[in-house]
Amino acid sequence: EAQVTQNPRYLITVTGKKLTVTCSQNMNHEYMSWYRQDPGLGLRQIYYSMNVEVTDKGDVPEGYKVSRKEKRNFPLILESPSPNQTSLYFCASSLTINLNTEAFFGQGTRLTVV
Amino acid sequence: KQEVTQIPAALSVPEGENLVLNCSFTDSAIYNLQWFRQDPGKGLTSLLLIQSSQREQTSGRLNASLDKSSGRSTLYIAASQPGDSATYLCAVNHMEYGNKLVFGAGTILRVKS
Repeated sequence: EAQVTQNPRYLITVTGKKLTVTCSQNMNHEYMSWYRQDPGLGLRQIYYSMNVEVTDKGDVPEGYKVSRKEKRNFPLILESPSPNQTSLYFCASSLTINLNTEAFFGQGTRLTVV
Repeated sequence: KQEVTQIPAALSVPEGENLVLNCSFTDSAIYNLQWFRQDPGKGLTSLLLIQSSQREQTSGRLNASLDKSSGRSTLYIAASQPGDSATYLCAVNHMEYGNKLVFGAGTILRVKS
């Protein structure tokens, strides 16, 4: 089954404790990205990657890092989480940078930073 | 800056009704528009993708139209069912932003049995 898998689904952590949210897709997609969803603000892009070893900032990259060492994986790293990073996070992938391909989303990771 | 607006913000209808969800965007320079469904506690499920050169797409009881020049799209749901209850999001793939999707805030739909 074609899918984008995120882990964990739920996470509660304390301020300053480094964490990683994993994202993996099994569709051989080149393009992957991370979004956060907040009430009243909708979904906003954090980072994206056009292919292996190619990443770039989205609209709200502050406080986040990413890496793309393999095509299928695109982890989101919070080096020093803060309460304002409490949010619902989604990983997405699409076939190529060709701009008429459908985007597929993971199930989401609900992060709470206390 | 591309902005996407969805109207209404919430909608409650009895089962069996046909309904229309609206999406508007400020910049017509888009590559495509995609409609998603989001269920509570779950991810986004792609419903329909309309390329900028297309006028509409259909999937089962769903029909989405696109008028790029006026910056509008509608999602038509025929014979609504309680299982259609969810949040519906539209997103545009804007030319200036590569493959980033710009999302609307969504329409929360409740279909009552």
